[in-house]
Amino acid sequence: SQKIEQNSEALNIQEGKTATLTCNYTNYSPAYLQWYRQDPGRGPVFLLLIRENEKEKRKERLKVTFDTTLKQSLFHITASQPADSATYLCALDIGQAGTALIFGKGTTLSVSS
Amino acid sequence: GAVVSQHPSRVICKSGTSVKIECRSLDFQATTMFWYRQFPKQSLMLMATSNEGSKATYEQGVEKDKFLINHASLTLSTLTVTSAHPEDSSFYICSANRGRTYNEQFFGPGTRLTVL
Repeated sequence: SQKIEQNSEALNIQEGKTATLTCNYTNYSPAYLQWYRQDPGRGPVFLLLIRENEKEKRKERLKVTFDTTLKQSLFHITASQPADSATYLCALDIGQAGTALIFGKGTTLSVSS
Repeated sequence: GAVVSQHPSRVICKSGTSVKIECRSLDFQATTMFWYRQFPKQSLMLMATSNEGSKATYEQGVEKDKFLINHASLTLSTLTVTSAHPEDSSFYICSANRGRTYNEQFFGPGTRLTVL
């Protein structure tokens, strides 16, 4: 079965630095990879999506890459701020409407000032 | 747009009672809704897929008689935890599928269930 791993449970960085989070998956490449932010006691909030035929996607200070050879996606937050502190989840999406996403455990990012 | 609400946000109940959690898509119609459960520091685990007008599809290991799902309309799905026990205490999250250009899913804010 498809598995998804987010290598770091926790990541601590200084304000202003770039945070890089890793998501690896096994077996087949999904049609999309989605990234979400989850704050404590709240539901996930969609951030970015990248398609399997895209190498990179950007949105403001966020950047996502997708390497189907390595079966890996990297999520970058540049010029990080304390407000970026949260848990970030990656999710596999086979691209069919009405199918569930498969989530990783998440990486909890702490940005200190 | 694309807001999903859940009610209640928190519930505390006694062991043996039943609890109903509602999930509503406020500004779009969702033919499919999903129910997840999340334990502390763990991933979201899919419990069931709920399609409007038909029976829910449960994931392996999820008791369908214990977690009753009803998707009565295109904007409402309910999860009822029957005869709740302390081990059912968890964070329950629903998502609704809009499914336009990709598998768009919008998540509710979650319901914290504590069973005493």
